Amino acid sequence: EVQLQQSGAELVKPGASVKLSCKTSGYTFSNYYMSWLKQMPGQNIEWIGNIYGGNGGTGYNQKFKGKATLTVDKSSSTAYMDLSSLTSEDSAVYFCARDRTEFAYWGQGTLVTVSS
Amino acid sequence: EIVLTQSPTTMAASPGEKVTLTCRASSSVSYMHWYQQKSGASPKLWIYDTSNRASGVPNRFSGSGSGTSYSLTISSMETEDAATYYCQQWSSNPLTFGSGTKLEIK
Repeated sequence: EVQLQQSGAELVKPGASVKLSCKTSGYTFSNYYMSWLKQMPGQNIEWIGNIYGGNGGTGYNQKFKGKATLTVDKSSSTAYMDLSSLTSEDSAVYFCARDRTEFAYWGQGTLVTVSS
Repeated sequence: EIVLTQSPTTMAASPGEKVTLTCRASSSVSYMHWYQQKSGASPKLWIYDTSNRASGVPNRFSGSGSGTSYSLTISSMETEDAATYYCQQWSSNPLTFGSGTKLEIK
């Protein structure tokens, strides 16, 4: 069974950075892309970017370049997303989702709250 | 960036009623995917490649469309279908989602 387990909720101060994780199981990590998505409260879903589990190759939504950095650790089948210089506009639920074009498997989401 | 416009924004349907949700793209796309999201949960892939039901999706759901106009249809509304539905494309980078249709039960 494919599973994506995301790290817990984060409360961070403005200007800080945070690193979210997405630990996978049930499939061959290096054979698939992992995408990251953002959903602000009551709003639609935005695609941040994706990363290939095999070689760490990335693709980003231009809107999130400089804000998000995607990495993987093949040894632990885990994907990571660093978010930098956080502002209130970064307060949202962040999802990891397997694949590149459509998403049949999702993590449970990580709530990031940016507040002083 | 391709903008996906969903209509209606919100609607309510009675049990047994036929429901059609639409998604219009600002430029032509090759296919459309649809997701169902209930409050506090992750989205679920519902329809992929325009017209294919994802695993476990009841056959009262169907998808159709081409070019810039796509739709998701429920042949007979059931209580469990109340949710927000999003369309999504990746014919053009960046991948984008529509703003969603919130479907409620009357």
